[in-house]
Order: sequence, then structure tokens, then C-alpha cells
Amino acid sequence: AQTVTQSQPEMSVQEAETVTLSCTYDTSESNYYLFWYKQPPSRQMILVIRQEAYKQQNATENRFSVNFQKAAKSFSLKISDSQLGDTAMYFCASNTGANSKLTFGKGITLSVRP
Amino acid sequence: NAGVTQTPKFRILKIGQSMTLQCAQDMNHNYMYWYRQDPGMGLKLIYYSVGAGITDKGEVPNGYNVSRSTTEDFPLRLELAAPSQTSVYFCATSARDYSYEQYFGPGTRLTVT
Repeated sequence: AQTVTQSQPEMSVQEAETVTLSCTYDTSESNYYLFWYKQPPSRQMILVIRQEAYKQQNATENRFSVNFQKAAKSFSLKISDSQLGDTAMYFCASNTGANSKLTFGKGITLSVRP
Repeated sequence: NAGVTQTPKFRILKIGQSMTLQCAQDMNHNYMYWYRQDPGMGLKLIYYSVGAGITDKGEVPNGYNVSRSTTEDFPLRLELAAPSQTSVYFCATSARDYSYEQYFGPGTRLTVT
């Protein structure tokens, strides 16, 4: 069974600064995918970034990047140059099953201060 | 393209009532999912479908039923609503296997009193 753990319930960052959101996971599968989803106050779930376990290179999408440590089963999200629009809940998720079933962490509330 | 649509957006049910949450997609995705999100929690999978006519239970299926007669639609049925089913319900779709992202609908906020 997959588990995803986000131990920080909330974080706050000053606009334009960098923040890192932590996530650990557990799986017995050899190949899997990891995701970060953003949920702003509108409630819409939005994919931020995706990482394939077989790829050693950390994924990057503009201001968003991950630090994927496979041996430690750690998958943190770094947001650079934080913007007010980054204020949201962020969910870490893993997907190993053939039927593409996502397992989510509890999420972290990120507040960006002006 | 509308993507993934859900109706209704909000609903209040009395204990014991039944209702169907609708989910429709126009992306021609085979995989569809129903999740629930309780306050302060992540999403938990209720049911999923890998194609028309094929459904299976997720992590929290009790109290719910689904059917998938077409690729486009994946309704979720609540029978005998209970306060524990108060939650936000999300429908999602995926093009193929687990390497692909899931696309989420806007959610339905359901309150059972």
C-alpha cells in the first residue's frame, strides 16, 4: 500500500522569497510517479509538477522545482520568487498502480505575505 | 472544450435522502475517478473506472455506488445519506495509465444534516 505524508500543516512566506514544502512517501513498487497539486481557494485542483521515479533529474516547471531523493523516499517542492497567487493548499501525491490511482497526503496550507 | 464538469456545485441533504452527483467529461479519457475531500484532509478515492462498463472500489466506497455506461459520464450515487458523507466530492479523469496527470472537476460541496 502507498502512503504519502505531509507533516507540516501550514507555512508562510514573504512575497519574492523561496519556500520548500516537504513530502515523504512509502511504496514497494519499483516504478511510480509523484505529483504536486495546488488547490487555491477556488477549490480547483491544479497539477504543479510531476516526477518519474526512474528519472534521476529533478523536475522543474518555471518557478517550481522538486528535490527528489529516491533512497530517502522524499519529494519536496521548492517555490522560488513566491507570488501572492501561490497562496493555496498544496498536496503531494503518488501513483503506482496500473489503474492510475493517486494517493494523496493531507496537504499543506501555504500563505504568501505581501 | 468544457473538460470535466460536475453538477450540482452545492447541495444540502437530509439524513436518509439519496442523490446522484453527476460527472461528465469531453476529453475522451478512459479513466475516471471519484474522490472525497474532508476538511483539512487530502483526497480519498471512492470509486474508479477504467472504461465504460468497468468500475471498481477505491479506499472509501461504503455508502456509495457508481455506474459507467458511457465514456463521458460517471455518476456517483449516495444512498441513505449520513452526516459522515458531508464532504467535497471531486471527479477526475486520466488519459491513460499512472504516468499521466489527472484532470479534476470543480467539485461538489455536499452537506448532510
